[in-house]
Amino acid sequence: NAGVTQTPKFRVLKTGQSMTLLCAQDMNHEYMYWYRQDPGMGLRLIHYSVGEGTTAKGEVPDGYNVSRLKKQNFLLGLESAAPSQTSVYFCASSGQTLTGELFFGEGSRLTVL
Amino acid sequence: AQTVTQSQPEMSVQEAETVTLSCTYDTSENNYYLFWYKQPPSRQMILVIRQEAYKQQNATENRFSVNFQKAAKSFSLKISDSQLGDTAMYFCAFMKSYYNNNDMRFGAGTRLTVKP
Repeated sequence: NAGVTQTPKFRVLKTGQSMTLLCAQDMNHEYMYWYRQDPGMGLRLIHYSVGEGTTAKGEVPDGYNVSRLKKQNFLLGLESAAPSQTSVYFCASSGQTLTGELFFGEGSRLTVL
Repeated sequence: AQTVTQSQPEMSVQEAETVTLSCTYDTSENNYYLFWYKQPPSRQMILVIRQEAYKQQNATENRFSVNFQKAAKSFSLKISDSQLGDTAMYFCAFMKSYYNNNDMRFGAGTRLTVKP
């Protein structure tokens, strides 16, 4: 069972470089999310999507862009990486069910030098 | 804005014993949902237990149970008969509604170590 898959799992960037994190889910979920996890701060929502072709800002959106061209994929982009974006990034998805449960990927560790 | 506070950054417990993880939250909402998520060392986060605020009965899932005190805005997780596989980060989370689940707020987490 694939569930939510993130690629790549590890990446090292230099300041100013760009990159894209890919999230794919095979559960036909409407909602998808990108979070970042930093020590002592829990998870913070960067951007989210409530359906194909839609995106919205979360709690900490600055420096990131997202796209949801296909229902199963949610891309997170960093146009010009900064050391403050060093973090572990988690993608999650959820369906339109009365559970509220989020299904998470395994995370992507990004280091910006 | 809703905030979630976990005041115990780290805890440890002996195998087979019981441990309680604390969580408090701040909200002006009357109806909402609370969750405990577990993040094992492999990093993929999974749902442990959920509680609807309109339900007075505390949720239980096998060895996991919660103590939900709505007036005190407290939502603690009790793990009974702790097992080595319970070693993980535990996150408390708050959400206003299932139809607005872009607004799930997480606490900073409690790292639990189960010792043999």
